[in-house]
Amino acid sequence: NAGVTQTPKFRVLKTGQSMTLLCAQDMNHEYMYWYRQDPGMGLRLIHYSVGEGTTAKGEVPDGYNVSRLKKQNFLLGLESAAPSQTSVYFCASRGLAAVETQYFGPGTRLLVL
Amino acid sequence: TQLLEQSPQFLSIQEGENLTVYCNSSSVFSSLQWYRQEPGEGPVLLVTVVTGGEVKKLKRLTFQFGDARKDSSLHITAAQPGDTGLYLCAGTYGGATNKLIFGTGTLLAVQP
Repeated sequence: NAGVTQTPKFRVLKTGQSMTLLCAQDMNHEYMYWYRQDPGMGLRLIHYSVGEGTTAKGEVPDGYNVSRLKKQNFLLGLESAAPSQTSVYFCASRGLAAVETQYFGPGTRLLVL
Repeated sequence: TQLLEQSPQFLSIQEGENLTVYCNSSSVFSSLQWYRQEPGEGPVLLVTVVTGGEVKKLKRLTFQFGDARKDSSLHITAAQPGDTGLYLCAGTYGGATNKLIFGTGTLLAVQP
């Protein structure tokens, strides 16, 4: 039982390049989330999904797209990376109960030059 | 707009000292969670409080939810080096998606 895994762990991009971050969970959770973490700002929600085939915008969705084609996977895409997207990205998942623990992955560190 | 403000931002103390971290908001939350995050890892849930005035204890950690459910505190007794990390509070308004609003974080360093 690996929990929540993220790939890659670290990536360097040039401005304008694209990439996809992959999140996978093996807990059969319905809900999945993508956050970014920046110094002094805690974690901010980018996009989330309440089930396979569904996605919704969070607090800071601009410049990102997501897809949830399979229940266990949640992909975060950057079509044209910008230096402002340099951050640490965390994926999380949780079950259906009203007050439920969110389980976080280890994070992806992205540097956009 | 940051809805949850934590104080202090940084705290460096000696082993054995006590400390309190505060999480404040002008919004009412249906529940509030505290997480701890270690370098290079994701946040890990410590506790969830749901009732105004609720107090929960986890070994040397005491968590309190404000009566009006707008604020919370985390008190650590006799801090140890293993308590070092980033402490994050997160509130939720409830509802089906139960999205979390995270605080700004408190970085704690406990020196041996």
